[in-house]
Amino acid sequence: QLVASGGGLVQPGGSLRLSCAASGFSLSSFVMSWVRQAPGKGLEWVSGLTSIGGRTFYADSVKGRFTISRDDSKNTLYLQINSLRAEDTALYYCARGTMNTLTPFDPWGQGTLVTVSS
Amino acid sequence: QSVLTQPPSVSAAPGQRVTISCSGSSSNIGSNYDVSWYQQLPGAVPKLLIYENDKRPSGIPDRFSGSKSGTSATLGITGLQTGDEADYYCGTWDRSLSGGVFGTGTKVTVL
Repeated sequence: QLVASGGGLVQPGGSLRLSCAASGFSLSSFVMSWVRQAPGKGLEWVSGLTSIGGRTFYADSVKGRFTISRDDSKNTLYLQINSLRAEDTALYYCARGTMNTLTPFDPWGQGTLVTVSS
Repeated sequence: QSVLTQPPSVSAAPGQRVTISCSGSSSNIGSNYDVSWYQQLPGAVPKLLIYENDKRPSGIPDRFSGSKSGTSATLGITGLQTGDEADYYCGTWDRSLSGGVFGTGTKVTVL
């Protein structure tokens, strides 16, 4: 199970840290991702973190502003989001891949809503 | 902007069959990366429907099927039910982008 939290209303240029707590499995053993969905829009993959080596990947739209990480002691995945823009407004899901690949995404967390507005 | 193209919508009567295409390129589907499919019911979290192109997770009925050929993949739904009304997305890895990619999404309507 994955439980996401940390979303909220933030002004343009602001920051937030999203969390995704895992239970029932060791998060460090799997490739993990953040996926977002703007209101009324489709799914957009945002960032991924590998199990072995902790390599990170980012969509071009967030590169340099978002940072994915994890705390193995807390079995929790994070997404630090900085320099927020209106177009970052979305429901942010965390999702598990396999031990070696980003996809398929299963399971998904329930999502946490980020709203960027002044 | 999505690099995988899907039809915006498909529709059919109950009991009928629909197919949803997912068109990619040589940097994703055509590079032999596995395709997965997700169902998102209204107001719900996306759910894995098909993985590794044609495999169904436990609990997914065999009315749902997947296939892949060249740079495209297809999701098929037979015996269409009102409960199948949802948005459907394909997904895979793209080696040029070094990241995950989703399709544009297809809304299935049961007439």
